[in-house]
Amino acid sequence: EDKVVQSPLSLVVHEGDTVTLNCSYEVTNFRSLLWYKQEKKAPTFLFMLTSSGIEKKSGRLSSILDKKELFSILNITATQTGDSAVYLCASVSGNTGKLIFGQGTTLQVKP
Amino acid sequence: GAVVSQHPSRVICKSGTSVKIECRSLDFQATTMFWYRQFPKKSLMLMATSNEGSKATYEQGVEKDKFLINHASLTLSTLTVTSAHPEDSSFYICSAQWPGQRLIQYFGAGTRLSVL
Repeated sequence: EDKVVQSPLSLVVHEGDTVTLNCSYEVTNFRSLLWYKQEKKAPTFLFMLTSSGIEKKSGRLSSILDKKELFSILNITATQTGDSAVYLCASVSGNTGKLIFGQGTTLQVKP
Repeated sequence: GAVVSQHPSRVICKSGTSVKIECRSLDFQATTMFWYRQFPKKSLMLMATSNEGSKATYEQGVEKDKFLINHASLTLSTLTVTSAHPEDSSFYICSAQWPGQRLIQYFGAGTRLSVL
């Protein structure tokens, strides 16, 4: 059975800290891995990773995929209170484009 | 990023009534849309894949007669919760697959359904 597992499930940090969120996957016919940020409503797209070892960056956020270890991390440096959200990792499986989501990591950044 | 509009954002209804939720891709055509359900503090659970011009594909355990999906045009998919019960209360989110880049989905803002 395909599955995506995220850790930790929740995290509390202070502004300025750096955090690393983890995502492991076991998916047949793996296509890519996506990261989303969800703040109360719709998940917003952050990154799509298809190749191993190539880091994607957007401001203070970065992510990388290890297809050998079936693992991805999302890094957030110099965290701000606005980074508080649920971060979802999802794997795209097969030719249908179906997303298999992890449980999410709830990040709280305190001032 | 692409814009997906979902309406209504919140609905409260009586048990036994039907509720329709709309999902529109505003600036692109989406042949494929997805409907998810999210329970409190849980991740998104795929309910069905909606394909324009054909029948939806439902995930195991999802009642197709309960959750009617219609994808009549390239920019609109609807989910109708029929004969709603309190256990149907949940957060429903749709997404649209970006054309030519089938690996990325853009999400609507979600609909909070409360069945009394």
